[in-house]
Amino acid sequence: NAGVTQTPKFQVLKTGQSMTLQCAQDMNHEYMSWYRQDPGMGLRLIHYSVGAGITDQGEVPNGYNVSRSTTEDFPLRLLSAAPSQTSVYFCATRRTSGADTQYFGPGTRLTVL
Amino acid sequence: TQLLEQSPQFLSIQEGENLTVYCNSSSVFSSLQWYRQEPGEGPVLLVTVVTGGEVKKLKRLTFQFGDARKDSSLHITAAQPGDTGLYLCAGIYTGGFKTIFGAGTRLFVKA
Repeated sequence: NAGVTQTPKFQVLKTGQSMTLQCAQDMNHEYMSWYRQDPGMGLRLIHYSVGAGITDQGEVPNGYNVSRSTTEDFPLRLLSAAPSQTSVYFCATRRTSGADTQYFGPGTRLTVL
Repeated sequence: TQLLEQSPQFLSIQEGENLTVYCNSSSVFSSLQWYRQEPGEGPVLLVTVVTGGEVKKLKRLTFQFGDARKDSSLHITAAQPGDTGLYLCAGIYTGGFKTIFGAGTRLFVKA
């Protein structure tokens, strides 16, 4: 039982490059989400999904795309990376919405030059 | 912009001292959670408070949810070096789909 896994752990991109951050969970949770964490700003919600085929925007969705074709996977795509997207990205899951325990992955540290 | 203001941002204390971290908002939340995060790892849930006025205790940690469900506090009694870390509060809006985090309190407890 791996919980929530994220790959890669570290990534360096050049401005304009694209990439996909992977997130997978083996807990059969319906709710999955992506956050970015920047110094002094806490975690900000990028996108979330309440089940396969259903996604919605969070606080800071611009520049990011998501899809949810299976319960297990929730990839985050950067189509054209910008230096402002340099951050640590966390994927999180919980059984349903609301006050359930939210489980976070170990994070991906992304640097855009 | 909906905000969850957390204070203080940084706290450095001696082992054995008490401390309180505050989390305030103008928004009403259906529930509020407190997390602790270690360097290089994701946040880990400490507690969820749901009812206005609720108080929960976790060993030396006491969590309180304000009566109006707009604010919360975390009190640590007799802090220990093992309490060092980043503490984050998170408010969950009615409907439960969106969570907003405070900026965090970085606590350092010196032996």
